[in-house]
Amino acid sequence: GNSVTQMEGPVTLSEEAFLTINCTYTATGYPSLFWYVQYPGEGLQLLLKATKADDKGSNKGFEATYRKETTSFHLEKGSVQVSDSAVYFCALSDQGNTPLVFGKGTRLSVIA
Amino acid sequence: GAVVSQHPSWVICKSGTSVKIECRSLDFQATTMFWYRQFPKQSLMLMATSNEGSKATYEQGVEKDKFLINHASLTLSTLTVTSAHPEDSSFYICSARAATTEAFFGQGTRLTVV
Repeated sequence: GNSVTQMEGPVTLSEEAFLTINCTYTATGYPSLFWYVQYPGEGLQLLLKATKADDKGSNKGFEATYRKETTSFHLEKGSVQVSDSAVYFCALSDQGNTPLVFGKGTRLSVIA
Repeated sequence: GAVVSQHPSWVICKSGTSVKIECRSLDFQATTMFWYRQFPKQSLMLMATSNEGSKATYEQGVEKDKFLINHASLTLSTLTVTSAHPEDSSFYICSARAATTEAFFGQGTRLTVV
C-alpha cells in the first residue's frame, strides 16, 4: 500500500538558517504530494502541493519538488523564522476521494 | 482556499457522557469526509471515511459503536463520542474532499474527558 516516510524530529534551527525536511513515498500509481503545517493547538493547513513529476510547489518561502525518480518530496526553505516553528507533515493522495496518507510529522523549532 | 469549519474547538465533558463534534464545509460540497485522531506529538490516525448518505467505513481497531459518524448532507458530518472515558481524550480533526485531490481540514477539536 501507499506510505510516506519523513525525517524524524525534532529539528531545532537558528533564525535565518536553511531548512530541509526529507520526505520519501511509496505508491502504486501517480499520487499527488502535499506538505501540511500544524501550528500549536490548531488543525492542519495546506502549505504546498505538487500533482505530477517535476512539479515544484511553493508557498511562504517554502519549496518542494516532486521527484519521481527518487520518490521524494523534500521540503526546503532558505531562511527560517521563529514563526515557522510548527509540525510539518508530508502526505500523498491518490486520485478520487481516498484519504490522505501522512508521514509521522517533523517538529521544527526555530530559535532567535 | 476552501473552508472547513469544525465545532467546538475544545470541549470538556464528564466520563460517561456523549460529545458531538460537527464538521462543515462552508463553500463547497464535500462528497467525502474523513475523521482523524491525533495523540500528543504524533501523526494523524485515520478513524473513518464518511460518504454522504451512506454508512461510514471505519479503520481497523476503531469502535464504530463508540465513535458514531453521520454524514447526512454534502456539507455536514458529525462525530459523536459515546460514553466517553478519559482514554478518549484527544485531538480530533475532520477533513473534507470534493472533486479535487486536495483535502481541507477543520481546525480540530480538543476533547478532554474528566
